[in-house]
Amino acid sequence: EAQVTQNPRYLITVTGKKLTVTCSQNMNHEYMSWYRQDPGLGLRQIYYSMNVEVTDKGDVPEGYKVSRKEKRNFPLILESPSPNQTSLYFCATLDPGRMNTEAFFGQGTRLTVV
Amino acid sequence: KQEVTQIPAALSVPEGENLVLNCSFTDSAIYNLQWFRQDPGKGLTSLLLIQSSQREQTSGRLNASLDKSSGRSTLYIAASQPGDSATYLCAVRGGSQGNLIFGKGTKLSVKP
Repeated sequence: EAQVTQNPRYLITVTGKKLTVTCSQNMNHEYMSWYRQDPGLGLRQIYYSMNVEVTDKGDVPEGYKVSRKEKRNFPLILESPSPNQTSLYFCATLDPGRMNTEAFFGQGTRLTVV
Repeated sequence: KQEVTQIPAALSVPEGENLVLNCSFTDSAIYNLQWFRQDPGKGLTSLLLIQSSQREQTSGRLNASLDKSSGRSTLYIAASQPGDSATYLCAVRGGSQGNLIFGKGTKLSVKP
């Protein structure tokens, strides 16, 4: 079964305390991406990766880092979280070589920064 | 830059009604368009994907159409049920990279 697994599902943290949200996919896809979802703003892309060791900024990359050391994993790193990063985060993957492929999303991570 | 708009932002209908959700996009050069369902605070469930060369896709009570030249897609829900209450999102994939551009969604409420 195709799966995208994010951890943790819920996280409350304090301003400035580094955190990592993990994302893992079992479909051997080259492409992975992170989005954040905020009321009234919809889903916006943070970073994406076309392959191992290849990452690129999306529309809202400030305050985030990512790494892609293995094909299946794409962690999102907040080195110094701030309250404006309180949001619902989604990891996604798809097969970029196929036009008829759907995107698969993780269950989401609800992050609150106080 | 691609922009995706969904109208209306919210919709309330009585159970049993057929309804149409709209999605428009500004750049017709798309790979595909995908419709998602999202329950409050939950993840995205893929409903239908339409390739750029297709006109429509059907799954059960759902039918999605695509008119690429006019930059429009519709999601038709037949015989709506209270369990259909959710937010419906459309997203277009514009290029070979795989990045999706989302609309802000239509929040549907189906009243018993």
